Amino acid sequence: EAGVAQSPRYKIIEKRQSVAFWCNPISGHATLYWYQQILGQGPKLLIQFQNNGVVDDSQLPKDRFSAERLKGVDSTLKIQPAKLEDSAVYLCASSSIGQGHEAFFGQGTRLTVV
Amino acid sequence: SQQGEEDPQALSIQEGENATMNCSYKTSINNLQWYRQNSGRGLVHLILIRSNEREKHSGRLRVTLDTSKKSSSLLITASRAADTASYFCATDASTAGGYQKVTFGTGTKLQVIP
Repeated sequence: EAGVAQSPRYKIIEKRQSVAFWCNPISGHATLYWYQQILGQGPKLLIQFQNNGVVDDSQLPKDRFSAERLKGVDSTLKIQPAKLEDSAVYLCASSSIGQGHEAFFGQGTRLTVV
Repeated sequence: SQQGEEDPQALSIQEGENATMNCSYKTSINNLQWYRQNSGRGLVHLILIRSNEREKHSGRLRVTLDTSKKSSSLLITASRAADTASYFCATDASTAGGYQKVTFGTGTKLQVIP
C-alpha cells in the first residue's frame, strides 16, 4: 500500500511571498488532515476534510491560509502572504472514516520563511 | 489547541532500561493513539487503545488507559538506541459536527544512550 505523499520536502521563501504544498492521501481514505508542527511542539490541526468537504478549519488562519481538496482526493494548502512565524513542518495525514482508524502521515514539508 | 499534555517533556535513559511516558487529556474520547517521530521525519503510528480497553501490548510497547483519570501511559521495555525519538499521544474524540477529531499532545522527547 502506497503511503501519503507530500511535496515539496523543503521550501525556503521570503516573508510576504506565497507558497503551496501538495498532498496525495492513501487511496480510499475519505478523511484528510493538514497539521502545522512548529519546532519542539506537537502537531496542530489546521484543517480537516471529509471527502471534498471541510469539517473543521477552526484553527486555520483564514486571512492567509487556504486549502482545497479536489474531487475528494489530492489536496493543496496555500499560504499567501507568508510570515516569519509560519516557519514549521506541514504534515498531511489521511484515514478511513469512523472510530478506531489510525491516521497515516506523510513525511511533511519543512517551510522556512526568512 | 492541544488536547493532551505529556510528561515528562524530555527523558534520558540508558539502553536496556524501561521508559515510561504519560499523557493526560481533557474531554471524553473514542480512542487514544501513540505516535513516534524521528527527527525531521513524519509521524509513525505505534498503537491504538479504545476507550473501553484498559491495557494493550505490542512487542516491547505497553499502553494503559484510565478514562476516569483521563490519562494514558506508554511503557517501552528494554529500550534501544533506535528508540530515540519524540513520542506523542493523540486523542480521537467525536465532535458536535458528527466527525472524529484527532488532537495531539505536546510530546515527550526520549533519548536512549547506548
